[in-house]
Amino acid sequence: AQSVSQHNHHVILSEAASLELGCNYSYGGTVNLFWYVQYPGQHLQLLLKYFSGDPLVKGIKGFEAEFIKSKFSFNLRKPSVQWSDTAEYFCAVNGGTSYGKLTFGQGTILTVHP
Amino acid sequence: EPEVTQTPSHQVTQMGQEVILRCVPISNHLYFYWYRQILGQKVEFLVSFYNNEISEKSEIFDDQFSVERPDGSNFTLKIRSTKLEDSAMYFCASIAPPRDEQYFGPGTRLTVT
Repeated sequence: AQSVSQHNHHVILSEAASLELGCNYSYGGTVNLFWYVQYPGQHLQLLLKYFSGDPLVKGIKGFEAEFIKSKFSFNLRKPSVQWSDTAEYFCAVNGGTSYGKLTFGQGTILTVHP
Repeated sequence: EPEVTQTPSHQVTQMGQEVILRCVPISNHLYFYWYRQILGQKVEFLVSFYNNEISEKSEIFDDQFSVERPDGSNFTLKIRSTKLEDSAMYFCASIAPPRDEQYFGPGTRLTVT
C-alpha cells in the first residue's frame, strides 16, 4: 500500500524567507506525484505535478519541487515566500493500477508573517 | 475556468439519518472521486467511479455508502445511516485524461450529532 509522509505539521516564516516542505512516500513502483494547496476557505488546487522526465518541476506562483527517486522524496520549495502563501499544503501520490486515486500526506500548514 | 461544485457546503444531521452529498464535476470529465477529511487527519480516498460504475473503493466505503451519477451531470454520495464518526469534510474530484490532474470541489462539511 502507498503512504505519504509530510515532515512538518506547521511551519511559520517571515516574508521573503525561503521555504522547503518535505514529502516522502512509500511505494515501490512508478508514481505520479503532486502538491496541492488549500488557501483558507477555498478548495484544493494543484500547485505542481511530476509524471516523468525532468525531476525538477515548476508550478504556479513560483513553487517548484524536486523528485529524488533514491530518497522517495518530492520536496516543495519556494525561494521567497509571501504573506499570500499562507495556506495548507498537501503532498499526494498516485501509483499502481488505480487511475487517479490519490494518497495524501497529512498536510503542512504554512503561516507567513508580513 | 470550469470548476467542480458541491452542495450543500455544510450539512448537519442526526445519527442514523440518511444524507446525500451532491457534486457537479466538470462537464467533459470522465473519472470521478470522493475523498473525506476528518478534522485533524489526512485526506482519505473513498471511491472512484468511471463509466457508471465503481472502479475502486477503500475500506472506509462500506455498505452504508453508495455513489450514483443519476443524470449525467450530478455525482452523489449517499450515506444511509450516518454515524458520529462520519463527521468530516467530503471532497468530490474529477479528471479528464490525458491531463491526469484532479480538480477538487470546495467540499461539504458533514456534522453528525
